[in-house]
Amino acid sequence: LAKTTQPISMDSYEGQEVNITCSHNNIATNDYITWYQQFPSQGPRFIIQGYKTKVTNEVASLFIPADRKSSTLSLPRVSLSDTAVYYCPLGGYNKLIFGAGTRLAVHP
Amino acid sequence: GAVVSQHPSRVICKSGTSVKIECRSLDFQATTMFWYRQFPKKSLMLMATSNEGSKATYEQGVEKDKFLINHASLTLSTLTVTSAHPEDSSFYICSARPTGQPITFYGYTFGSGTRLTVV
Repeated sequence: LAKTTQPISMDSYEGQEVNITCSHNNIATNDYITWYQQFPSQGPRFIIQGYKTKVTNEVASLFIPADRKSSTLSLPRVSLSDTAVYYCPLGGYNKLIFGAGTRLAVHP
Repeated sequence: GAVVSQHPSRVICKSGTSVKIECRSLDFQATTMFWYRQFPKKSLMLMATSNEGSKATYEQGVEKDKFLINHASLTLSTLTVTSAHPEDSSFYICSARPTGQPITFYGYTFGSGTRLTVV
């Protein structure tokens, strides 16, 4: 599975929209783009999955350009409880491979 | 929703002993379960994929004789760390793919993890 690259950390304030970008230049045709959230000392929690274009659910939106070499997770109106590490593992060949993740800190 | 339970949540063992970690899918059946380990401030590293009734598939560099995986039922997978040493101290996390879930869906449910400390 292709390697993913994300910013190490990001800061935001309550009520703002946060966009976290993930780079996956060598993504394969059968790879799916997923995003997970992880709090300290807990397992990751699935947020959203996409293959191409835009996907939206009740908590986030995922934007994927036509070349699929990157993706952007958009969190609308973040709150303090959104402070966590966000990962964009690629899913393929029946497994998920995690990259380094982005540590998001939301401030009052 | 789908729930995966891990037990124990924390364990301390002496160097040279073995430790077993259980991963249970509480309200669904899981033909496939995955085991990861995570060091402090680091990402999750996939160790192995376990399929019910068959041998686990280990990732490159993971010692299969040291990390024994058993997936004897559709709701239970176990990871046994044999002859544990301090360098095995880590956060071990399992995840499960519900039986019948589309192969192209990677929204897996993860357990809450087991923190292993070897002294």
